Amino acid sequence: EPEVTQTPSHQVTQMGQEVILRCVPISNHLYFYWYRQILGQKVEFLVSFYNNEISEKSEIFDDQFSVERPDGSNFTLKIRSTKLEDSAMYFCASTPGQFSNAETQYFGPGTRLLVL
Amino acid sequence: LAKTTQPISMDSYEGQEVNITCSHNNIATNDYITWYQQFPSQGPRFIIQGYKTKVTNEVASLFIPADRKSSTLSLPRVSLSDTAVYYCLVVPLNTDKLIFGTGTRLQVFP
Repeated sequence: EPEVTQTPSHQVTQMGQEVILRCVPISNHLYFYWYRQILGQKVEFLVSFYNNEISEKSEIFDDQFSVERPDGSNFTLKIRSTKLEDSAMYFCASTPGQFSNAETQYFGPGTRLLVL
Repeated sequence: LAKTTQPISMDSYEGQEVNITCSHNNIATNDYITWYQQFPSQGPRFIIQGYKTKVTNEVASLFIPADRKSSTLSLPRVSLSDTAVYYCLVVPLNTDKLIFGTGTRLQVFP
């Protein structure tokens, strides 16, 4: 079964440093997402991306965050200057069609980010 | 978006049927009811989705009464590996994002 992959699985960084989290969505999918989950809390939507532009973003997704699809396979989330409160599990997800529905959102295994 | 309410936690034993009920009093006409499962340190995984009545797949059944103000996820004969957090989501058709609640933490004992 095809799956979303994410690298790295764990990342430790110093406050103020830039991090890039990488995702490889399922190959024929068109919509891509980032979610995050702070330890012990809910999974929170960050951003959706389609046709090389952001479709929707949450209040969490401020100017410190950016997303990019640099080539035909990778989808990245960049945090420019990390803060302690950015420590969380970050999940990438993808859906096959132009119009998504919950049934077809496939999540990756996540990247655990720890900001010191 | 319709708010969902589900129990914080449930305990069960292997081999039992588990029913997790979710209330969504403000569900809208174009909303679907969707359940996800999440194991520790993993991403959420889609289990089942329905609009009304009953839906069954190889993993679970979903019961939705006529008024659609609640739904029940039924897991037949749970095993230890079903220990996870189960999320009930109300999802508008053609939406771009999923809104997760706190979920129900199911613990299955031997």
